[in-house]
Amino acid sequence: DVKVTQSSRYLVKRTGEKVFLECVQDMDHENMFWYRQDPGLGLRLIYFSYDVKMKEKGDIPEGYSVSREKKERFSLILESASTNQTSMYLCASGTRDRAAYGYTFGSGTRLTVV
Amino acid sequence: AQKITQTQPGMFVQEKEAVTLDCTYDTSDPSYGLFWYKQPSSGEMIFLIYQGSYDQQNATEGRYSLNFQKARKSANLVISASQLGDSAMYFCAMRERSYGQNFVFGPGTRLSVLP
Repeated sequence: DVKVTQSSRYLVKRTGEKVFLECVQDMDHENMFWYRQDPGLGLRLIYFSYDVKMKEKGDIPEGYSVSREKKERFSLILESASTNQTSMYLCASGTRDRAAYGYTFGSGTRLTVV
Repeated sequence: AQKITQTQPGMFVQEKEAVTLDCTYDTSDPSYGLFWYKQPSSGEMIFLIYQGSYDQQNATEGRYSLNFQKARKSANLVISASQLGDSAMYFCAMRERSYGQNFVFGPGTRLSVLP
């Protein structure tokens, strides 16, 4: 089974801290994504990557950056955490040539910024 | 404008009965795919079913079927013989060819299966 692993299930950080959310997949997928999930809004795309060292902004990139130095790892960085970034963060990965199978998601990281 | 609309924030169904979760979408791209995901309380998103815009028949996967009405731009999920383990959030999502490899998600419907 494809595994997408997010390093932390729950995180509590202080306002202004730099926060790293890590995501690792084990199936050599080209595509990786970071979403945030908020009640009533569904999932919103923050950043995505189609290949190593490549990144593209999604719908809500403000306040975030990403890093993809290796194919299996996609990191989301909050440069200076703010309370409005309190949310559930979901990482996903998928392969380009099997679009009909959707993507595989991690279990999510629930981040609270205080 | 919302690309994916799910008008039912919450639904209840009796165990062993069928339930339909609504999804309407908005796109001008002739090539797109529609997906349903389940999110149990554990948080993980589980892929359930896929329908391509050019598919002639409605998709089915076990107890899940997708009622695809292209002219109405609707892609409702039908779950037959509901089980207690079906209680979860359900998200409808769309991927348009013009939007690359990215999904747009609806706000979700919380399904509760009653014993």
